[in-house]
Amino acid sequence: SQQGEEDPQALSIQEGENATMNCSYKTSINNLQWYRQNSGRGLVHLILIRSNEREKHSGRLRVTLDTSKKSSSLLITASRAADTASYFCATDKNYGQNFVFGPGTRLSVLP
Amino acid sequence: NAGVTQTPKFQVLKTGQSMTLQCAQDMNHEYMSWYRQDPGMGLRLIHYSVGAGITDQGEVPNGYNVSRSTTEDFPLRLLSAAPSQTSVYFCASSYSTGGAAEQYFGPGTRLTVT
Repeated sequence: SQQGEEDPQALSIQEGENATMNCSYKTSINNLQWYRQNSGRGLVHLILIRSNEREKHSGRLRVTLDTSKKSSSLLITASRAADTASYFCATDKNYGQNFVFGPGTRLSVLP
Repeated sequence: NAGVTQTPKFQVLKTGQSMTLQCAQDMNHEYMSWYRQDPGMGLRLIHYSVGAGITDQGEVPNGYNVSRSTTEDFPLRLLSAAPSQTSVYFCASSYSTGGAAEQYFGPGTRLTVT
């Protein structure tokens, strides 16, 4: 079973709009990470947020974590066509020995 | 730094054949792992290693073997290929165990088993 589940499965927006993706997980975690995957490529790390953090920023990315609801969100502001990719959340179990990815959100940013 | 490299990029096997997918990293990372990615399933962990000589099973280990004789290399062996192993395989490395640090991914190996 998957620890993290992203929502929505697919999202299509216009360039310049904001994109929000959500991730829910089932068991307690130590860390949650977001990754991006361009078509046919490997995954690229975006942000790591620890269980004692509520919000982190990196450039146009903003990640929040609500451990009481077991959920996280990734906000991409002022989206660009180059942001078109799949986005995955990943959580650790068993103190990081096992790292579990969700099925991802496919984001399409239309010019 | 080359980062994480994987070979081959593409491979076609017949059912029952065996092969080794190669993975190497030049970042002196202790933690390495193998994932498979199937449509709509995200990435699933096959095997991982927390250092040379130490390996363990992930979520979907059946049909695969690994070894870690050096810090740099972490090959994945398919013992007897089956069509269910058709997938894209990614190797990743990290300086710390799974969730505590970012993972660096290789470009992937696309495997088709006929």
